[in-house]
Amino acid sequence: DAGITQSPRYKITETGRQVTLMCHQTWSHSYMFWYRQDLGHGLRLIYYSAAADITDKGEVPDGYVVSRSKTENFPLTLESATRSQTSVYFCASSESGSVNTEAFFGQGTRLTVV
Amino acid sequence: AQKITQTQPGMFVQEKEAVTLDCTYDTSDPSYGLFWYKQPSSGEMIFLIYQGSYDQQNATEGRYSLNFQKARKSANLVISASQLGDSAMYFCAMREARMGYNKLIFGAGTRLAVHP
Repeated sequence: DAGITQSPRYKITETGRQVTLMCHQTWSHSYMFWYRQDLGHGLRLIYYSAAADITDKGEVPDGYVVSRSKTENFPLTLESATRSQTSVYFCASSESGSVNTEAFFGQGTRLTVV
Repeated sequence: AQKITQTQPGMFVQEKEAVTLDCTYDTSDPSYGLFWYKQPSSGEMIFLIYQGSYDQQNATEGRYSLNFQKARKSANLVISASQLGDSAMYFCAMREARMGYNKLIFGAGTRLAVHP
């Protein structure tokens, strides 16, 4: 199916465990983003990528690691999960970095850290 | 510093009336884009409307229009003839043109409730 998909949709993990959230897009968009959504904070940018092998920090990168070896995939890893990382995570992609280019979002991953 | 500010955590409007959702932004770039997204209770993010910093006219898309006041750095979303299906979270976002790579930054959102 064309589009942007995230997996898993729901995840429960324990404090201290490593967990990876997957994001895959079929459009060959150059830009990809990871956001977390928390009540009262809206969507906060964790990391973004302008192309394969080019990534940069967003507003809240601490505790997260990303990689982008292929254009279509942009996994987000929580190295040692904490309760404060309980959130809904959204992946998004855009065709380019132009200011007039909207982003398309995945369905989100609800992560609970216990 | 907060780049996108949405000062209304919640709003309500009567069905068929118009409503304005506020958004102010902060940038020193002359070239930037402003976006509005809708997030219904099902959770998906839906792109609604775009306004470029150099656009001479306010953007419109069906019942959505953007009241762009560049000097005030505001980009308010106007929804005309509200419908029950408009009940959702609404997010304002911005992309700035800059050297290197640019981000897409969101505000905290406004929850809109449409009452029959």
